[in-house]
Amino acid sequence: DQQVKQNSPSLSVQEGRISILNCDYTNSMFDYFLWYKKYPAEGPTFLISISSIKDKNEDGRFTVFLNKSAKHLSLHIVPSQPGDSAVYFCAASNNAGNMLTFGGGTRLMVKP
Amino acid sequence: EPEVTQTPSHQVTQMGQEVILRCVPISNHLYFYWYRQILGQKVEFLVSFYNNEISEKSEIFDDQFSVERPDGSNFTLKIRSTKLEDSAMYFCASSGTGRNSPLHFGNGTRLTVT
Repeated sequence: DQQVKQNSPSLSVQEGRISILNCDYTNSMFDYFLWYKKYPAEGPTFLISISSIKDKNEDGRFTVFLNKSAKHLSLHIVPSQPGDSAVYFCAASNNAGNMLTFGGGTRLMVKP
Repeated sequence: EPEVTQTPSHQVTQMGQEVILRCVPISNHLYFYWYRQILGQKVEFLVSFYNNEISEKSEIFDDQFSVERPDGSNFTLKIRSTKLEDSAMYFCASSGTGRNSPLHFGNGTRLTVT
C-alpha cells in the first residue's frame, strides 16, 4: 500500500535552521492530512493537521503546506531544535471515515 | 494533559495462545482505534470503534481479532490464536469527535509471538 509516501527516510539539519519534511499521496479522496512525531518507545504524538480546503496551517514553529494539484504536503519546522529529533509521519484520511493511512516516516536529526 | 494508556508495555506469548491488549482511552473521547506497526514497516490501521460497535476495519482485522469495550473506560483488542506474524507494536488511539479530529495514541504494547 503506497497511497502515502515519504521518500526521504532521514534528514539532518543544523539547530536554528529550517527543517522541511515532504509527503506525497496518490488517493485523490484524501481530504484531511496530519503530521505526527514519534520518539523511540512512545506512540505517535499529534503535531498539526490541515483540511483539503486550506493550503496552509501554522502552529508556532510548525507549518504544514498542502498542494492538492501535486498531491503533496510538507511540514516546515522553523527554527529547528535538538528536541525535534524524532521520526515524523504524515497521515491522511478520506471523507468516508476516520481511518488514517500513514507514510513510512522520516527520521529527523537536528544537530546542535 | 490527558493521555491514552496501554498495558502491558510488552507481552510475550507462544504461537496459538490468546492475548488481550488493554487500553484506557482519553475519558471524553468517543472514537477508539487500534493500529499496529510491524518492525521496519508502516503504521497500519486495524479497526475503529464507535458507539459500541466497529465502524471500520481493515483486511488485517480478520476473525482472529476482536475488540470490546467491557466497561466505561477500557478498550481491548483480543487475538484468539496468535501467529508469528502478529508480532508487532500495537497502538491504541482515541479521538474526540471523529471526522477531522486528530487521533491521540498510547505508547503501545510490543507483542512478541514465539
